[in-house]
Amino acid sequence: AQSVTQLDSQVPVFEEAPVELRCNYSSSVSVYLFWYVQYPNQGLQLLLKYLSGSTLVKGINGFEAEFNKSQTSFHLRKPSVHISDTAEYFCAVYHFGNEKLTFGTGTRLTIIP
Amino acid sequence: DGGITQSPKYLFRKEGQNVTLSCEQNLNHDAMYWYRQDPGQGLRLIYYSQIVNDFQKGDIAEGYSVSREKKESFPLTVTSAQKNPTAFYLCASSTGQAKNIQYFGAGTRLSVL
Repeated sequence: AQSVTQLDSQVPVFEEAPVELRCNYSSSVSVYLFWYVQYPNQGLQLLLKYLSGSTLVKGINGFEAEFNKSQTSFHLRKPSVHISDTAEYFCAVYHFGNEKLTFGTGTRLTIIP
Repeated sequence: DGGITQSPKYLFRKEGQNVTLSCEQNLNHDAMYWYRQDPGQGLRLIYYSQIVNDFQKGDIAEGYSVSREKKESFPLTVTSAQKNPTAFYLCASSTGQAKNIQYFGAGTRLSVL
């Protein structure tokens, strides 16, 4: 079965500190990987994506993620967070041949001033 | 500006009533999707359509119906058979060339009176 796991439902971080949001997936086929961000009462905005090539991908707002095939992970990182990064973050996986995205349950990032 | 428009932003349903959520896109995308979002559960796929006049059930289609008569429009009807309709509903679309990259509307919040 294909699944996406975001183990941390909530992550509090002090402003200007680094953060890592974890995402693991299971799949028997090749995948594309995504991180989306959702601000309160809004839709989802694409943060970054891994389709192929370099395993380190950079996205908007200073975020980056690294694809680790052996560990089936795609963790999201930012070296220094800002108050405006307060949002919910979703990891999503596209499984080849499935034509659908599978989303994780989300991680709520709270920035502490 | 190109984008996905969902309306209304807030919607209230009475017992036994059918309600329709609107989703319109001017991105010339072939594929469109409806998701339901509940706290702590991430996004779950209700229905999707890869081409006009064709659509498929997602993971939680019971109590919902859709139509795709025009490329730009993919309305979702929440029927009286859906016993727990209170949720945030998100519409998304993607191109035929890269169906996995989905773009989202701002959502409709449905509540039961």
